[in-house]
Amino acid sequence: GAGVSQSPSNKVTEKGKDVELRCDPISGHTALYWYRQSLGQGLEFLIYFQGNSAPDKSGLPSDRFSAERTGGSVSTLTIQRTQQEDSAVYLCASSSVPTDTQYFGPGTRLTVL
Amino acid sequence: GQNIDQPTEMTATEGAIVQINCTYQTSGFNGLFWYQQHAGEAPTFLSYNVLDGLEEKGRFSSFLSRSKGYSYLLLKELQMKDSASYLCARGDAGNMLTFGGGTRLMVKP
Repeated sequence: GAGVSQSPSNKVTEKGKDVELRCDPISGHTALYWYRQSLGQGLEFLIYFQGNSAPDKSGLPSDRFSAERTGGSVSTLTIQRTQQEDSAVYLCASSSVPTDTQYFGPGTRLTVL
Repeated sequence: GQNIDQPTEMTATEGAIVQINCTYQTSGFNGLFWYQQHAGEAPTFLSYNVLDGLEEKGRFSSFLSRSKGYSYLLLKELQMKDSASYLCARGDAGNMLTFGGGTRLMVKP
């Protein structure tokens, strides 16, 4: 089937605005992850969803960041009152079970002006 | 800590062999992953090691020593298209991946 998809592919916003980033995981994958990759940096874990369990939010950098996963499938990452340091590529990954290989989507490139 | 250390950049010649090393903290270890990432693209899965030893997959092989907290990715018969960043990632007990900064490999003719 199709791989992980993300939208939008690019998002330019003004400082202080809210943004929503969407991730559609591979069908049937129970685990979903959000990562952030700043220019020239490694991937930074943000949040992890597994089935109906409470998400692991330990990687979220501030309370301006939140995410939800509806119906155990699609996930939305919301960044409120965006700051310039939020500019990065936001990558979503999913796996069939938590310990299995994670497959990444193409990412959303967020630019905060 | 969860430090993942790998070289920042490497250069190799087309047709040659290159080894990219990765060291990591061993506590709570739950597997070692290698991903390839071309510029502007998402990471793609290359290999997974959870037991000691060498896993071979075509031109790519990955090695793990759990006691030493050490892994390497071996690329043989290098091709120009292998120019990319190679990301070492440690699986943690919480099922997330902790990534190193990546090794940017440049393959020259």
